[in-house]
Amino acid sequence: NAGVTQTPKFQVLKTGQSMTLQCAQDMNHNSMYWYRQDPGMGLRLIYYSASEGTTDKGEVPNGYNVSRLNKREFSLRLESAAPSQTSVYFCATQETGLNLMMFFGSGTQLSVL
Amino acid sequence: DAKTTQPPSMDCAEGRAANLPCNHSTISGNEYVYWYRQIHSQGPQYIIHGLKNNETNEMASLIITEDRKSSTLILPHATLRDTAVYYCIVGSYNTDKLIFGTGTRLQVFP
Repeated sequence: NAGVTQTPKFQVLKTGQSMTLQCAQDMNHNSMYWYRQDPGMGLRLIYYSASEGTTDKGEVPNGYNVSRLNKREFSLRLESAAPSQTSVYFCATQETGLNLMMFFGSGTQLSVL
Repeated sequence: DAKTTQPPSMDCAEGRAANLPCNHSTISGNEYVYWYRQIHSQGPQYIIHGLKNNETNEMASLIITEDRKSSTLILPHATLRDTAVYYCIVGSYNTDKLIFGTGTRLQVFP
């Protein structure tokens, strides 16, 4: 089992470019999350999806959109990238209702020039 | 959701016990205490969680005070590979989002 898979692992964008970060899980979990982590900082929640077809804003949603394509996949889109979005992005999953044990992907390191 | 307060950094000698404190004075009755750690730039890893009783697993022990306003994560015999940022988080089974703070950076030295 791969667990939580994020693609790409690294990406460099120019200001104003768009891109989509992909996340897929094979754990059959209902909830999926996108976090960002700036250098030396903790994780901040961008968006989350408690189940297929639903999405909600987290702490720092501005500049991002998400799509819960199906139970397995949860994508994060930057429509017009800005240097302030330079960060490491982590996707995570959780089985709602059982416990708060979350499983994280290995991250996507994004640089916006 | 209750907030947590952790010291920004701690040191521990290899082979000694590492005791990481967490304050969660506003925790509510149905909220659990969870600990995660993040090694270097990897994704956070679950360590342990508890409600009011002390818990132990192969990685660590969790001691929760009787009033549940604080807890301590104990790594009984710290190794260099335990050098990481440790996050204390509280939430209930109804919580649909976990809020991470800045955590405690534990440095284990030889």
